[in-house]
Formats: sequence, structure tokens, C-alpha cells
Amino acid sequence: KQEVTQIPAALSVPEGENLVLNCSFTDSAIYNLQWFRQDPGKGLTSLLLIQSSQREQTSGRLNASLDKSSGRSTLYIAASQPGDSATYLCAVTPPNDYKLSFGAGTTVTVRA
Amino acid sequence: NAGVTQTPKFRVLKTGQSMTLLCAQDMNHEYMYWYRQDPGMGLRLIHYSVGEGTTAKGEVPDGYNVSRLKKQNFLLGLESAAPSQTSVYFCASSYTAFQETQYFGPGTRLLVL
Repeated sequence: KQEVTQIPAALSVPEGENLVLNCSFTDSAIYNLQWFRQDPGKGLTSLLLIQSSQREQTSGRLNASLDKSSGRSTLYIAASQPGDSATYLCAVTPPNDYKLSFGAGTTVTVRA
Repeated sequence: NAGVTQTPKFRVLKTGQSMTLLCAQDMNHEYMYWYRQDPGMGLRLIHYSVGEGTTAKGEVPDGYNVSRLKKQNFLLGLESAAPSQTSVYFCASSYTAFQETQYFGPGTRLLVL
């Protein structure tokens, strides 16, 4: 069974600092990995999707890397802003199954 | 374009009561999903649908039923609510396969007393 872990569960940084969020998974046989953002009381918004054949994806200040062999993905957020405060979740998709496996998330607070 | 909407936003039930959660999407997506989110556990798939008239069980289907009579709507039913079903419920949809980006609704917070 795929297990997805995100450590730490919470993170607080001053504005302007770069954020590094970690996601690890136990089964390297994945189809893709996604990073989501969740604001309090809201649904999830997809940030980046990395196919298993890719090493990284970038969107603006966000960059996500994937090391499938070691079962790790990292989300980098450059020059953090208070508006980046949210919970960030990663999810992996197996190659021949329907089920997204989610991590429990990392809650980020960016202090002004 | 409203995306994915969910009704109601919040509900309190007593043990044994029944209710239906409604999910609607206006993106002409084929796939729709119901998840529950519990503290420290991430999201878990309850049921899903790959098209109008189809439904299938997810990871935690017990105690729930679903129906997809219209392509744009996906209903989640609780026939006899239990305190263990206290959770936040999210609906999502995607254009085709599971592996594509899913679009999520704002969630329904359910408290079962």
C-alpha cells in the first residue's frame, strides 16, 4: 500500500524566505505526482503536476522536483509572501489504478 | 463558469439520520469523485464515477452510497449517519482519467452527534 508522508506538519517563516516542502512516498511505481494548495475552509487547488518521466516542473515562483527512485518530491516556493500561507498537499497516482494517495499536508505560515 | 460547487456547506446530523450531499460541475467533466478529509490523514476516496450512470467504490465506501444520474451531478448519500462520518467532504472532477488534474469543490463540513 502506498504511503505518502509530508514532514514537517507545520512551518513558519518570515516573508521573503524561500520555502522548501517535502513529500516522500513508499512505492516508486507512480504515474505522476501532484502538489495542491488548500486555504482554510476551502477546497484544493492544483499547483503542479509532474509526470513520472519528468524531473521537475515550474510555474512562476513554484518549482517541484521529483526523484522517483528515492521516493521523494520537493516543492520550492521562492521569495515567500504572506499570501503563500496555506496547507500544501502532495498526492501520487499509481500507474494502473484510480486511487490518488494523499499526504496529510504541511501547513505554512509566512510572517509579514 | 462556477467550476465545482457543493451543497450544503455545513450540516449537523444526529446519529441515525440520513442526508444527501450534492456536487455539481459545469466543466463537462466525465470523472467525478467524493473524498473525505480527516485531521492528520489526508484525503481518502469514498466513491467515484467514470461517466453518467456509472459509480464505483473507492478506498472507504462503507456507509455511503452515490448516484450519477446526470453528467454534471454526483450525489453522496448517508443512509444512517454515524459519529465516525464526522468529516469534511470534498467533491472533485476531471476531464478524463484519474491521472489528470482534479478540480475540487469548496467542501461540506459534516458533524454527526
